[in-house]
Amino acid sequence: EIVLTQSPGTLSLSPGERATLSCRASQSVSSNYLAWYQQKPGQAPRLLIYGASTRATGIPDRFSGSGSGTDFTLTISRLEPEDFAVYYCQQYGSSPWTFGQGTKVEIK
Amino acid sequence: EVQLVESGGGLVQPGRSLRLSCTASGFTFGDYTMSWFRQAPGKGLEWVSFIRSKAYGGTTEYAASVKGRFIISRDDSKTIAYLQMNSLKTEDTAVYYCTRAYSGSDYWGQGTLVTVSS
Repeated sequence: EIVLTQSPGTLSLSPGERATLSCRASQSVSSNYLAWYQQKPGQAPRLLIYGASTRATGIPDRFSGSGSGTDFTLTISRLEPEDFAVYYCQQYGSSPWTFGQGTKVEIK
Repeated sequence: EVQLVESGGGLVQPGRSLRLSCTASGFTFGDYTMSWFRQAPGKGLEWVSFIRSKAYGGTTEYAASVKGRFIISRDDSKTIAYLQMNSLKTEDTAVYYCTRAYSGSDYWGQGTLVTVSS
């Protein structure tokens, strides 16, 4: 099983600032099948990035994903008020699919 | 418009069974792998199971925590995915989400709450 470790656990930032979220895998993620999701309270997760770096349909270009192998990053270039949420990475390259524990981006 | 609507959740006693349904619309259901995820109260996301399309054999995979107790299935004619949950435990209490498993999971339902308690 691939264990995903996200850091930091909480990121306290102000609107307009840049957010950098990390996701590290215990072994290489097959075909870079790594996704990022955003989840707000009481809502289902929303797909932001798949294939490590491809934005999902309708996702603003301030969201970007990078990385390969075992190290992946989600960057939000300039935080908007609606971006404060919890973010999860997930690998779907091998079963069992696994998630990181999440990074909460909160308003400073 | 792609829509996924879960149903069948509720309160159930430990050891009993429950069947969740995921009714899909807005896409060619039979062409896609479908998956179930869950989220315990205040916790992170956990993958539960997926079922591949018939074109890929309709094969299934399960998380270790549910293997042997849960069964995923699909009815392509009705565009419904099911999750049969048997021998439920208190630790199965969670919101269960159905997803279209394409490029990760590109569409999610709103979730249905399953509470396992005596």
